[in-house]
Amino acid sequence: DTEVTQTPKHLVMGMTNKKSLKCEQHMGHRAMYWYKQKAKKPPELMFVYSYEKLSINESVPSRFSPECPNSSLLNLHLHALQPEDSALYLCASSQGARDNEKLFFGSGTQLSVL
Amino acid sequence: QKEVEQNSGPLSVPEGAIASLNCTYSDRVSQSFFWYRQYSGKSPELIMSIYSNGDKEDGRFTAQLNKASQYVSLLIRDSQPSDSATYLCAVPDSGGGADGLTFGKGTHLIIQP
Repeated sequence: DTEVTQTPKHLVMGMTNKKSLKCEQHMGHRAMYWYKQKAKKPPELMFVYSYEKLSINESVPSRFSPECPNSSLLNLHLHALQPEDSALYLCASSQGARDNEKLFFGSGTQLSVL
Repeated sequence: QKEVEQNSGPLSVPEGAIASLNCTYSDRVSQSFFWYRQYSGKSPELIMSIYSNGDKEDGRFTAQLNKASQYVSLLIRDSQPSDSATYLCAVPDSGGGADGLTFGKGTHLIIQP
């Protein structure tokens, strides 16, 4: 089973809303990632959790708040977003050691901020 | 910051021909290389990984790595219309840690029936 599940698949929110994106994997992977992808651009790394601890924050604005409740779950809390934050948000996971580098992506959440 | 360069295309290839996708990278110490396929509106899907110089074959896909030239390529034999997608080349942001991947901008491949 190489599945990473993301919900919701689509999300429309206003600039004053608070919403959360959810990600789940049951592959026993110990690293989980959030990427942001704008149309016709490559994915850009936002956050990395390794063994449930935030290990990388790529200078992401504080209106994006990640959370890793346990080794299988990853959330991204959204608050006071801007229209330019509209993008495909991708969750990924990887297992330990050498295969830390091999990322498996979820289907993504297409976010539109109005 | 590592750099991964790809020709954005579009690369148009007739059905049944060989599609050749190229990627160069800036960091000479990179040891692992990945090819992802991404259909429009979908998420990236890992199709090949390569760690050693030379060729690695998996079905219709062959990855080729030349570390001296800092060059990695993907060949798709007997191209099918279903191969039409954007192909992303990626290298790890560090050696062996969970630091994520740096992606190239991707090559848009079109297989013409």
